[in-house]
Amino acid sequence: AQKVTQAQTEISVVEKEDVTLDCVYETRDTTYYLFWYKQPPSGELVFLIRRNSFDEQNEISGRYSWNFQKSTSSFNFTITASQVVDSAVYFCALIFSGNTGKLIFGQGTTLQVKP
Amino acid sequence: NAGVTQTPKFRILKIGQSMTLQCTQDMNHNYMYWYRQDPGMGLKLIYYSVGAGITDKGEVPNGYNVSRSTTEDFPLRLELAAPSQTSVYFCASSYDASQVYLNTEAFFGQGTRLTVV
Repeated sequence: AQKVTQAQTEISVVEKEDVTLDCVYETRDTTYYLFWYKQPPSGELVFLIRRNSFDEQNEISGRYSWNFQKSTSSFNFTITASQVVDSAVYFCALIFSGNTGKLIFGQGTTLQVKP
Repeated sequence: NAGVTQTPKFRILKIGQSMTLQCTQDMNHNYMYWYRQDPGMGLKLIYYSVGAGITDKGEVPNGYNVSRSTTEDFPLRLELAAPSQTSVYFCASSYDASQVYLNTEAFFGQGTRLTVV
């Protein structure tokens, strides 16, 4: 079965703290893509990153970084020095080869960053 | 480019009424999708289309219908609205997401918040 699990329902941090959002996935496919999307209070879905199954390099983009580990089927997302504007719901999602691009979403993690 | 445009943004329906959620994209994407997002949940796929004239069911298709007569448009029809269809609906499109090596991503519309009372 193809599945994405975000075990953390809600996280609350104080501004400038680092925070890691966990994502664990299940797929039998060897070719797949993992995504993170951000959904701010305004409701739209904002694409953050895509990672394919053949590229296990970690990625850093400003205060955001992603740790992809195939051995543990995890694709965790870290925000360094969090800011109030990071408050949002974050979704991890999976596409596997041949599934016509249907995104399988995790339940989402609500991040609240307090000033 | 406008990207993916959904209308309306908000709608209140009475039980038993019908309506069509409109979705159009101007990126010449051949893949289009409809998702629904219930409170505290991730998005679940309702229907999808891999090209004009081709549609298929997703995870939660009951109570909905779709059509894809053009590449640009992918309307979602609700027949006999029920309170269980109260949700936020997202339309999305991608170039050819089955070809994972092409680094495609899904582009989402702004969402339609539907309440059935």
